Amino acid sequence: KAGVTQTPRYLIKTRGQQVTLSCSPISGHRSVSWYQQTPGQGLQFLFEYFSETQRNKGNFPGRFSGRQFSNSRSEMNVSTLELGDSALYLCASSLAPAGDYYEQYFGPGTRLTVT
Amino acid sequence: AQSVTQLDSQVPVFEEAPVELRCNYSSSVSVYLFWYVQYPNQGLQLLLKYLSGSTLVKGINGFEAEFNKSQTSFHLRKPSVHISDTAEYFCAVTATSGSRLTFGEGTQLTVNP
Repeated sequence: KAGVTQTPRYLIKTRGQQVTLSCSPISGHRSVSWYQQTPGQGLQFLFEYFSETQRNKGNFPGRFSGRQFSNSRSEMNVSTLELGDSALYLCASSLAPAGDYYEQYFGPGTRLTVT
Repeated sequence: AQSVTQLDSQVPVFEEAPVELRCNYSSSVSVYLFWYVQYPNQGLQLLLKYLSGSTLVKGINGFEAEFNKSQTSFHLRKPSVHISDTAEYFCAVTATSGSRLTFGEGTQLTVNP
């Protein structure tokens, strides 16, 4: 079974631009979560989607948004990029969210550099 | 809300030596606990998890961890490390009623020959 895939793997953008990152979960997984990893703040939860609905949201400004499609693929968008948005963005998929525990499987991440 | 503190940011050890990576957590509700490993330029891989039951949990690559509820700790151990264990290790927690992971700051384990 293929793992979680994220595209692109590397991205360079300029301040003020916007960016869209994509995540394809493991086949059959319906929950997708996004995390931001930076040297200063570590790993921080962005949001979680399940069945095309946002189930949970972290403490990030409204410039960060996401969505999930009917095939469970997810995208996250960052508008008006700032230098501080430079980070590794990780996507994780699982069978289902809250309730019974389901392991989250992480993708390799998208490395975003804002110049 | 939950929080996680990893007590050592860097742990250098020699090959074949034992190692312990320390993790304390704080939560007002019941939690699940995890250790993840991250190799350079890769995502996170689950090493082991504590959901319930035996407080000593065994994971992949010879790692194990012990859940101590009274001390709110979940320390990771390996009796004999290899060069290939060099990586960053993250302790994480989630409420049993949720799925959002809260991570510690990470511990860089460096195994020297």
